[in-house]
Amino acid sequence: DAGVIQSPRHEVTEMGQEVTLRCKPISGHNSLFWYRQTMMRGLELLIYFNNNVPIDDSGMPEDRFSAKMPNASFSTLKIQPSEPRDSAVYFCASRKDTGNTIYFGEGSWLTVV
Amino acid sequence: AQSVSQHNHHVILSEAASLELGCNYSYGGTVNLFWYVQYPGQHLQLLLKYFSGDPLVKGIKGFEAEFIKSKFSFNLRKPSVQWSDTAEYFCAVTSNNAGNMLTFGGGTRLMVKP
Repeated sequence: DAGVIQSPRHEVTEMGQEVTLRCKPISGHNSLFWYRQTMMRGLELLIYFNNNVPIDDSGMPEDRFSAKMPNASFSTLKIQPSEPRDSAVYFCASRKDTGNTIYFGEGSWLTVV
Repeated sequence: AQSVSQHNHHVILSEAASLELGCNYSYGGTVNLFWYVQYPGQHLQLLLKYFSGDPLVKGIKGFEAEFIKSKFSFNLRKPSVQWSDTAEYFCAVTSNNAGNMLTFGGGTRLMVKP
């Protein structure tokens, strides 16, 4: 099994630019999560999809953040425009049904300068 | 409010010392409990999980955790730590009362001195 695949692994961008992070969940998994990790705030759940439908996006910081899941094998997290305070590691995770283990990707390390 | 609390933010131990990291949660309903480990510069990896049955669960690398329902706790233990256990440890909970989303505690940074 290939695991959860995220891209890019590292991105450095200038303030104001659009950033798109991508995630391919494990095949057969029907739940997908986007988390953000920072030193100050730890691991924060941004948004949770189930069967491609956003279930809870209360963790999305503000309108600059948006996430989509057009099909069961792909999701994007977009930041437009990016700001330095968005610098963090963004993890995507997936799970097969509720009550099962959630598996994490290797993360996208974002630096906004 | 529903939350997951890890009381120890930083722990420093010498090799061969015993480890216990605390985790308490405030969710009701049916809970599933997890411990994840994050080695420096790496992603989160599952150490162990509790869904049902024996409240003492054993995970990888000699770790174990005990679910005590009456105390809303799921503490992580290891009898003898190694330098390679230096990492950050996260307790996490899902609850059917909270949409089955995985919520993390604040993490505990463990440093094991050789």
